[in-house]
Amino acid sequence: GAVVSQHPSRVICKSGTSVKIECRSLDFQATTMFWYRQFPKQSLMLMATSNEGSKATYEQGVEKDKFLINHASLTLSTLTVTSAHPEDSSFYICSALITRLYNEQFFGPGTRLTVL
Amino acid sequence: AQKVTQAQTEISVVEKEDVTLDCVYETRDTTYYLFWYKQPPSGELVFLIRRNSFDEQNEISGRYSWNFQKSTSSFNFTITASQVVDSAVYFCALSEDTGNQFYFGTGTSLTVIP
Repeated sequence: GAVVSQHPSRVICKSGTSVKIECRSLDFQATTMFWYRQFPKQSLMLMATSNEGSKATYEQGVEKDKFLINHASLTLSTLTVTSAHPEDSSFYICSALITRLYNEQFFGPGTRLTVL
Repeated sequence: AQKVTQAQTEISVVEKEDVTLDCVYETRDTTYYLFWYKQPPSGELVFLIRRNSFDEQNEISGRYSWNFQKSTSSFNFTITASQVVDSAVYFCALSEDTGNQFYFGTGTSLTVIP
């Protein structure tokens, strides 16, 4: 099946720093990728839809300037958490849309961000 | 309104028991897709099944089986003879034909006690 990777898998940073998370589709091209956020014992919440070559579409309540998304190529989308604070600590998961026929998304393994 | 409802927050069963995880969905689209994912403690989502709205056949894969009933808008998941390795959070999700967004349920945390 299609493989999506995320890097890093875990990151611990100090408050005020920026953190970049990469999401790569390894064996297919993805014009559309998604970024989710998951707090402990909660469901996945869609943050934004990342489209290659265009601006990301953010869900209501998600700060665009806080969570910068860049989808510069058909295999890479990045999420940058700018000026991170402890409340940004969460599990971030990306996914790639492989086919519009079934609307199927393949998920990355997730990145656990801890902001001290 | 919640598009996907998983009413069971937590379930505990003893090993070898059967367990059914409920999923009820809501959509106005005639074409849609339903999914089940397993999320073990590591956090990585594991794809279990995809079902499109035109295929109401129930499916069995080893100890796993799924019951899709459009009349009740339900897509329930049964694990037969549960094992400790089945302990995880299970998510049901809906994707509508009019968009490609996934709507996740709140998840059911399953604990299988040895």
